Amino acid sequence: QSVLTQPPSASGTPGQRVTISCSGSSSNIGSKTVNWYQQLPGTAPKLLMYDNNQRPSGVPDRFSGSKSGTSASLAISGLQSEDEADYYCSAWDDSLNGWVFGGGTKLTVL
Amino acid sequence: EVQLVESGGGFVQPGGSLSLSCAASGFSFSNYYMSWVRQAPGEGLEWVANIKHDGSEKYYVDSVKGRFTVSRDNAKNSLYLQMNSLRADDTAVYYCARGGATKFAYWGQGTLVTVSS
Repeated sequence: QSVLTQPPSASGTPGQRVTISCSGSSSNIGSKTVNWYQQLPGTAPKLLMYDNNQRPSGVPDRFSGSKSGTSASLAISGLQSEDEADYYCSAWDDSLNGWVFGGGTKLTVL
Repeated sequence: EVQLVESGGGFVQPGGSLSLSCAASGFSFSNYYMSWVRQAPGEGLEWVANIKHDGSEKYYVDSVKGRFTVSRDNAKNSLYLQMNSLRADDTAVYYCARGGATKFAYWGQGTLVTVSS
């Protein structure tokens, strides 16, 4: 049972826009910034979004992030086949005094 | 180019010990928090521990407190994880990551630890 809640799966067709949600509480998302990680099949995770909506160098602007209250979202527009991956949200939790992750969302490009 | 290379994984019986290492290059190691994050087979990510750039502060997930110890040697650009009293549910790929104060900016390729009798 993950501290942050994500849907286990999401899907879309090429070119579509998909959104992945991440729900937390006042001790994590409600008071801290959210980061997102992308894990392509068989590879290590990669930082995709930080501080809620900041893209590291090299991440396409098709990816965007937002946060409101105790929830956050990752949006992917112009979906491409290479976006098929697992996506994880993460935030520091003040109550647990540690980092927490969502359970991950497996994105399938149909 | 930032590189993080983990080593030390392997097969160990329950109750045993294992020591992981992470060799860092391509950045000023002593300026960054460093972390360990693990992923059980077919499961999601779980943060394990992190250590401040000078080693003065360390944080652990509750499930490993008292069993795991994170340390670093800034002169050798290396991060370590000493794992004692290993349990079956510690079986996972262990990733070394740069960061831990605000984000995990770079990740190694991981090393597999299998705890089984």
